[in-house]
Amino acid sequence: AQTVTQSQPEMSVQEAETVTLSCTYDTSESDYYLFWYKQPPSRQMILVIRQEAYKQQNATENRFSVNFQKAAKSFSLKISDSQLGDAAMYFCASSGTYKYIFGTGTRLKVLA
Amino acid sequence: GAVVSQHPSRVICKSGTSVKIECRSLDFQATTMFWYRQFPKQSLMLMATSNEGSKATYEQGVEKDKFLINHASLTLSTLTVTSAHPEDSSFYICSADPGQYGEKLFFGSGTQLSVL
Repeated sequence: AQTVTQSQPEMSVQEAETVTLSCTYDTSESDYYLFWYKQPPSRQMILVIRQEAYKQQNATENRFSVNFQKAAKSFSLKISDSQLGDAAMYFCASSGTYKYIFGTGTRLKVLA
Repeated sequence: GAVVSQHPSRVICKSGTSVKIECRSLDFQATTMFWYRQFPKQSLMLMATSNEGSKATYEQGVEKDKFLINHASLTLSTLTVTSAHPEDSSFYICSADPGQYGEKLFFGSGTQLSVL
């Protein structure tokens, strides 16, 4: 079975500060991918970052980076220099056997 | 970038009627499309996986006769909510897989269904 767990329903960060969103997952697949998606109030899903499980190097996309700990099945998202536009729901997801499973989400508030 | 068009964006219907939601990949072929349901302030729940030319694969607990999925071409999948009831009111999102395993999904903009 494939599961994704996000233990932080809500997080707050001061503008320009750094915040880390947590995610743990479980999968029996040997080949899988992990994602962080952002869902702003428009509800359009937007890919933030993607990690290939076979790569040890952590993925980075500008202000967004991940801490991928394969043995611990942990995949956290770090947002640096937070901006007001980063406020949204963030979903961690995993893909395996052509199924994409999403975590319960973390609502990020950015304080001015 | 790849675009997935989902229509309608919002629909209000009477209880007992059927509603069809379309999901189109505009600039790529999608062998596989996924349908998700999202309740307010909750996550995306996978309902079914739609494969072109074959029957959809439904997740446990999803009624096949209630949520009819048709994937007649490589660019179009439809979800029909049959005999809709107020408990079917939800936000439905489709996504398309461009066919390269592990690549990101492309999402439609969603359909808010309200059943009166």
